[in-house]
Amino acid sequence: GENVEQHPSTLSVQEGDSAVIKCTYSDSASNYFPWYKQELGKGPQLIIDIRSNVGEKKDQRIAVTLNKTAKHFSLHITETQPEDSAVYFCAASRGGGSYIPTFGRGTSLIVHP
Amino acid sequence: DGGITQSPKYLFRKEGQNVTLSCEQNLNHDAMYWYRQDPGQGLRLIYYSQIVNDFQKGDIAEGYSVSREKKESFPLTVTSAQKNPTAFYLCASSIQGAMTEAFFGQGTRLTVV
Repeated sequence: GENVEQHPSTLSVQEGDSAVIKCTYSDSASNYFPWYKQELGKGPQLIIDIRSNVGEKKDQRIAVTLNKTAKHFSLHITETQPEDSAVYFCAASRGGGSYIPTFGRGTSLIVHP
Repeated sequence: DGGITQSPKYLFRKEGQNVTLSCEQNLNHDAMYWYRQDPGQGLRLIYYSQIVNDFQKGDIAEGYSVSREKKESFPLTVTSAQKNPTAFYLCASSIQGAMTEAFFGQGTRLTVV
């Protein structure tokens, strides 16, 4: 089955700095890579996703890059703000009849004002 | 509004008692999932269901049971056989077979005393 490794487990930055979270996956057939943000005491919510036919996707201050050859993808947050503080999860899955996303272990991002 | 609802938000039970966590969605999603979240462990899959009246074990199904009698509902029972049931439980749903996001509920924090 799929295995997703996520690093770092904790990331501490100053407000205004950039933050980068990296994930690697093992199944070369995976073709959908979402990122979720989980605030304290709440369920995760999708913030951005990328499909295998795209190398990079941006949405305001967040971006995701995908390197299919190396089987890794990254989340980039620029101009971080205190409200970006949360746990971020990456995931990988295959489309088709059986969509069971595999999640990374999560990264706790702390943005200091 | 469409969404996925978990209840209750907090649940306290005595050791040795079975307890059922509710999960309801009105998104017309075929696939539903239960995850357990412990500090530093990420999201671990307990059970999933891709269609009514059918479900499969995830990575940590021992001590848990589920049913899927209706498309909208996927309750999880934590049985007395679960050795360490205190955790945060998340329910999710998604469109079956499509490369789209999973929608999560707000979670139920179960404490066994």
